[in-house]
Amino acid sequence: GQNIDQPTEMTATEGAIVQINCTYQTSGFNGLFWYQQHAGEAPTFLSYNVLDGLEEKGRFSSFLSRSKGYSYLLLKELQMKDSASYLCASMDSNYQLIWGAGTKLIIKP
Amino acid sequence: IAGITQAPTSQILAAGRRMTLRCTQDMRHNAMYWYRQDLGLGLRLIHYSNTAGTTGKGEVPDGYSVSRANTDDFPLTLASAVPSQTSVYFCASSDSGTSNTGELFFGEGSRLTVL
Repeated sequence: GQNIDQPTEMTATEGAIVQINCTYQTSGFNGLFWYQQHAGEAPTFLSYNVLDGLEEKGRFSSFLSRSKGYSYLLLKELQMKDSASYLCASMDSNYQLIWGAGTKLIIKP
Repeated sequence: IAGITQAPTSQILAAGRRMTLRCTQDMRHNAMYWYRQDLGLGLRLIHYSNTAGTTGKGEVPDGYSVSRANTDDFPLTLASAVPSQTSVYFCASSDSGTSNTGELFFGEGSRLTVL
């Protein structure tokens, strides 16, 4: 079956670095997405990886290892506004997104 | 700047009633999607449309129907609502269909409670 695993909740301190892991098993693979979702709001796109390696975009970076079925989202210099849920999604061979349940990130001062 | 507009934002509905959630986008995107989001579960695809005039079933299509008469509108209908359809519904669009390597743009969601 198809499955996306990510931690339910993480806590980090303002100004620190946090890494949110995601493992995936999908029928085929056409890329790995990360979205951010603030409470009560719509998800917004953060990153897309289809090749192995690290993609950096400002304070956020995303890593992919296709051989391990593994990705992580790295958030640096954490700010209070980064408190949100982070959704990992893998695109399968039919170009459909399979979503994880999301990781709720709590930032403490 | 509108993007994707969903209506209603929130609705309480008696079981057995018919309900249509509206979704309109002004980005001229080809592909549109309806997801439901439930606590502890990932977003689940209900129905999708890769282009106007075509629709397809997602992971959880039972009890729902859609239509795509034009590029901009993609309404979701619950023919006879049941309590298990209590959820937050998100409409989304992207500018490519089956070769989707781009991002999804989401509406603000419709919170539906079926009693």
